[in-house]
Amino acid sequence: ELKVEQNPLFLSMQEGKNYTIYCNYSTTSDRLYWYRQDPGKSLESLFVLLSNGAVKQEGRLMASLDTKARLSTLHITAAVHDLSATYFCAVDSGGGADGLTFGKGTHLIIQP
Amino acid sequence: GAGVSQSPSNKVTEKGKDVELRCDPISGHTALYWYRQSLGQGLEFLIYFQGNSAPDKSGLPSDRFSAERTGGSVSTLTIQRTQQEDSAVYLCASSVGRLDGYTFGSGTRLTVV
Repeated sequence: ELKVEQNPLFLSMQEGKNYTIYCNYSTTSDRLYWYRQDPGKSLESLFVLLSNGAVKQEGRLMASLDTKARLSTLHITAAVHDLSATYFCAVDSGGGADGLTFGKGTHLIIQP
Repeated sequence: GAGVSQSPSNKVTEKGKDVELRCDPISGHTALYWYRQSLGQGLEFLIYFQGNSAPDKSGLPSDRFSAERTGGSVSTLTIQRTQQEDSAVYLCASSVGRLDGYTFGSGTRLTVV
């Protein structure tokens, strides 16, 4: 059974600081997704990582994937208040038929 | 529309009643997924449709849950004899392929009282 673990689950940080969210998964996969969810809203796709060593950046967010270590990171650079949200990683175990397995999410609060 | 559309956005129902949730995927997206999000269980995969193919129902939490997809497009998730533990946000997602990620709808918040 595929397990996806995120840490930390809760993070409070100040604007301007850098931080990294970690996503570990238990079985082989080369498809990893990062989503953002604002309170009461649906999931917004941030990154799709499709191969070992993949790195993608959008604004102050950068995601990477190491399939050998079964680890993905979401790095936040010079955080701003607007990035406050819950961030989920999700792993595709293969074929699409099993859907995505999600981590529990990281609740991020960025204080001015 | 441009996105995945779900209806209703909110549903309050009495315990024991049946409910039907609807998902209209993005045009051209052949894959459709249902997920459930609750405080206790996080995001759980329920069922997947690829085009008109028969789905694998093993992810559905009980035999009170069923889903169908008509014409490879609109899908309905039906919960019979609702229980309080069915209260959750039910999310639908569609995809044109695994390499392209998944687009989620805004969800249906179901409350069973």
